This record gives sequence, structure tokens and C-alpha cells, in this order.
Amino acid sequence: SQELEQSPQSLIVQEGKNLTINCTSSKTLYGLYWYKQKYGEGLIFLMMLQKGGEEKSHEKITAKLDEKKQQSSLHITASQPSHAGIYLCGADTGNQFYFGTGTSLTVIP
Amino acid sequence: EPEVTQTPSHQVTQMGQEVILRCVPISNHLYFYWYRQILGQKVEFLVSFYNNEISEKSEIFDDQFSVERPDGSNFTLKIRSTKLEDSAMYFCASHRTVSGNTIYFGEGSWLTVV
Repeated sequence: SQELEQSPQSLIVQEGKNLTINCTSSKTLYGLYWYKQKYGEGLIFLMMLQKGGEEKSHEKITAKLDEKKQQSSLHITASQPSHAGIYLCGADTGNQFYFGTGTSLTVIP
Repeated sequence: EPEVTQTPSHQVTQMGQEVILRCVPISNHLYFYWYRQILGQKVEFLVSFYNNEISEKSEIFDDQFSVERPDGSNFTLKIRSTKLEDSAMYFCASHRTVSGNTIYFGEGSWLTVV
């Protein structure tokens, strides 16, 4: 079955610091999605990447998809307490959609 | 912005009772999915549905679960006899076509089995 490896599993950073979360697939993807989730709540769509080498930004969050379309990174610049939550990557493999295991982010004021 | 809607947002049910979770996918979408997330755990695939039949299901989706599209707009997940371990958030999703079109998720239905 398709596996999406997400790392790190958890991250604790000081407010103002930059951080990166990674998501790796064993297969080439048709699309890579990033979501944010507060504990016990729904999925907040952040970004979707489809083309190899694509990069998208929204406010202080930037996501990139590598040329092979198997690896993506999510980068947060100058983190704030509002960035805290669980970040999930999701992958469209063409005939299925899978989620990564999630990264729990804590931002210390 | 297109939207997948789910009802109810929260449901508490007694163990052994039947539960139906409802989803209204986006109108021109053809592929429909249910996912489950036990609190604090990974979002897990349950089932995909296309052309009025199940196209794929996971090992979680046993005989207690069923899906149907009764009227061409709603997409339902039925749990026949709920167990405590069915307590989870259930997400519905829809996709116009596979391979590159955006998948849309509903806000989820919280099910608590007591």
C-alpha cells in the first residue's frame, strides 16, 4: 500500500524561528496537498502542488514539490503561536488519496 | 468556492445502534470517499465509490460498514452496529476525476459511541 512518510513527527520551536516539515512518497504523485488541523477539529486546506519543482506561498508558509514529484516540504518563516497545530500532507496517486502521519507543531511564545 | 457538506457535525450514539453519516459532495464530482480519524491518530482511508459502486475499500471497512448514494446527491456511510472503537471523526471527500483534479474534504462528522 502507498505510504507517505512525514517528518518530524513533532516539533517544538520558539516563536520567531523558521521550521521545515517534510513529506516523502515512494511513488510519483499527481498532486500533493498540505492541511493544517487543530486537535479534534476538521482539515484546513493550505496548498496543493501538482507540477514538479512547483512552489507556492501563502503568508509565511511556503510549500515546494520536488522535480520527481515524490517529495514535498512545508516551510514556515518566523513562526507564531497561531501556526501551532498538526500539519498533514496528503497525496493523490492517481487512483487513491492517502494522508501522511502528521507533524505536531508547538510554538513557544 | 465549492464545498462538501457533512451532517451531522456531532453525534453521540449508544453502542450497538445504527448510525448514518451524510455527505453532499460537489455536484459535478464523480468520485467519493470516506476517511476516518480516531482522536490523536492518523487519517485513515475507509472506502472509495465511483459509478454507484465501491471501487476500493480498506481492511477497516468491514461488514459493519456500508455506503450508498441513494438519490444522486447524498453519499452516506452507515455503521450497522456501532462499537466503542468506532468513535472518531469521519471525513467525506469528493473528486471530479482522479489524476490531478482537486479533491475536496468536508468538515467532518464527530461520532462518539458510548
